[in-house]
Amino acid sequence: NAGVTQTPKFRILKIGQSMTLQCTQDMNHNYMYWYRQDPGMGLKLIYYSVGAGITDKGEVPNGYNVSRSTTEDFPLRLELAAPSQTSVYFCATMGQSNTGELFFGEGSRLTVL
Amino acid sequence: KNEVEQSPQNLTAQEGEFITINCSYSVGISALHWLQQHPGGGIVSLFMLSSGKKKHGRLIATINIQEKHSSLHITASHPRDSAVYICAATQETSGSRLTFGEGTQLTVNP
Repeated sequence: NAGVTQTPKFRILKIGQSMTLQCTQDMNHNYMYWYRQDPGMGLKLIYYSVGAGITDKGEVPNGYNVSRSTTEDFPLRLELAAPSQTSVYFCATMGQSNTGELFFGEGSRLTVL
Repeated sequence: KNEVEQSPQNLTAQEGEFITINCSYSVGISALHWLQQHPGGGIVSLFMLSSGKKKHGRLIATINIQEKHSSLHITASHPRDSAVYICAATQETSGSRLTFGEGTQLTVNP
């Protein structure tokens, strides 16, 4: 049981490039989230999904896009990368909306130069 | 004012000490999570509480719904407990979104 798998773990991008962070879970959880964590700061919600085919914006969605075509996968797309997107990105899942345990991926460290 | 606030922001203790980290929230919640993040590492869920108290090894988490307050206690602290501890609340009005505290940096010295 792998839990939540994020790839890649590290990536360096040039300004203006695009990339996709992958997140896959094998727990059949409905709720999935993408967060970013800037150095010394708390987690900020980028996008979230309450089930396949449903996504919604979080606190800091600008510059990002997501899709949820299956329960298992919730990729995060960065379009036209900017230095302000340098951060550590975490994917997380929760089985039920208000009683479920949280599970996090290992994080993806992205640097935009 | 953040909807979820933690105190203290930083905490240094000697090995063996009893540690308490506090979390206060200003919104109605359906669950409160305590998370642990080691330096450069991932985030692990320690507890999910909706009422009362939970214990796992040397860690104890309590929640008082009326006072909108939760505490995380570590008994017989050890240097390996050094990490950032984060509380997060699942709001009643948005059952799928979480609000995070800023975290408490704990350092336990040998």
